Amino acid sequence: AQSVTQLDSHVSVSEGTPVLLRCNYSSSYSPSLFWYVQHPNKGLQLLLKYTSAATLVKGINGFEAEFKKSETSFHLTKPSAHMSDAAEYFCVVSVNSGYALNFGKGTSLLVTP
Amino acid sequence: GAVVSQHPSWVICKSGTSVKIECRSLDFQATTMFWYRQFPKQSLMLMATSNEGSKATYEQGVEKDKFLINHASLTLSTLTVTSAHPEDSSFYICSARSIGSGAETQYFGPGTRLLVL
Repeated sequence: AQSVTQLDSHVSVSEGTPVLLRCNYSSSYSPSLFWYVQHPNKGLQLLLKYTSAATLVKGINGFEAEFKKSETSFHLTKPSAHMSDAAEYFCVVSVNSGYALNFGKGTSLLVTP
Repeated sequence: GAVVSQHPSWVICKSGTSVKIECRSLDFQATTMFWYRQFPKQSLMLMATSNEGSKATYEQGVEKDKFLINHASLTLSTLTVTSAHPEDSSFYICSARSIGSGAETQYFGPGTRLLVL
């Protein structure tokens, strides 16, 4: 079964400093991986996706993630955090059949001034 | 971009009543729609996969007689919570996959917050 593990439930960074949100995946084949962001009282927004093309994926709002097969990781990074980045972030893997998605437990990102 | 709407955005109902939630793809046709449930401070859990014109596939532990799903057209799926109880209070989110696309083109609705008193 395809699954993801988000290693941190909460991450706190200062504005202007780098962001690292960690995600490891488990899959019996080459997975499709995604990062979604959920702001309070808003719908899920796709940040970026990996679908077996380039291993370094660039997304919206300056976020990027690198697929590392040897480490089974797909960590999300951003060089400089902005206050508006404070939200819940989900690492997601697609399920083999039916295209359903398995969500990680989420990482709550706090950005302090 | 593709838009998925949900109606209502929030609903409060009495215990024992039924509640219907609509999920619509506004500018594309969706062969498959998914229903998720999210408890406060928790992740999304897939409840069921709904294919247009066929019966929904429910995840283990989800009661199909309690959570009725209908996907009668390529742009509309409904989730009916029957005989709702306080433990059914949650945030329900749908997503839609457009025709001929992979998982990467799923679009999420804004969610429906259900409170059962």
